[in-house]
Amino acid sequence: EVQLVESGGGLVKPGGSLRLSCAASGFTFFNARMSWVRQAPGKGLEWVGHIKNKFDGGTRDYAAPVKGRFTISRDDSKNTLYLQMNSLTTEDTGVYYCTTDRFEGNNETPYFDSWGQGTLVTVSS
Amino acid sequence: DIQMTQSPSSLSASVGGRVTITCRASQSIRSWLAWYQQKPGKAPKLLIYDASSLESGVPSRFSGSGSGTEFTLTISSLQPDDFATYYCQHYNPYSALTFGGGTKVEIK
Repeated sequence: EVQLVESGGGLVKPGGSLRLSCAASGFTFFNARMSWVRQAPGKGLEWVGHIKNKFDGGTRDYAAPVKGRFTISRDDSKNTLYLQMNSLTTEDTGVYYCTTDRFEGNNETPYFDSWGQGTLVTVSS
Repeated sequence: DIQMTQSPSSLSASVGGRVTITCRASQSIRSWLAWYQQKPGKAPKLLIYDASSLESGVPSRFSGSGSGTEFTLTISSLQPDDFATYYCQHYNPYSALTFGGGTKVEIK
C-alpha cells in the first residue's frame, strides 16, 4: 500500500524559510515522479511543482508563484521527497500535500494518484 | 494558462439522487482531465482520469464524460459517503496544469 507522510510544517514569519519532508513507502520510490500540491485555507488546490526520477533526468518544474523561491529535491536512499521554501509570504499559507505523479504516454504533465495527509504551513507575523 | 471553471460551486442533493458537475476548460484539453473527491480535513482522492476512465477501487456510480472543453462528472445514485468537494484538473502538456475551483456536494 502506498504511504506518503509529510512533516515539517509549522508557523514561520514572512520572509522566512521552511523545509518540508515526505516519507514514502509501499512503492518503488526511485522510479516515481513526485509533486507537491497545496491548498490555502478554505480554498482550492494548486500545483506547486514536481520532480522526475533520475532515469528521466531528475528535472524539476515549478508553478509560476513559487519559481525561484521553492526547490524540490529527493533522496532516493531515504525514500524521501523534500520541499525547501524560501522568502515565504502570507500567500504561501496552506496545507502542503505530497503526491505521486501518473502520466500517460508522451504527455509528461501529470495527474495525481496517491496523496499524503498534508502538513500545514502558516506564514504570519 | 488554461482556466478550469466548475459549475455549480455548490449543490444540495438527496441520498439516492443523481448529481452532475460540469467542468469547462478555456481551451481544448482533449481528454486530459482528472476528477478528485475531497472530504473535510482529508487529502483529495483520484476518481476519474482521461476524462472517463474510472480509477481502480472507485465505485461504478461515478462516471466521467466529455472531451475538448466541456466535461461532466456524474454520480448516478448519491450515497452518504459521497458528500464532499469535487475538483477537476487538466493535464494538457502544452500548458501548466491547473485545477477547477471545486464543487461542494451537500445533503439536502
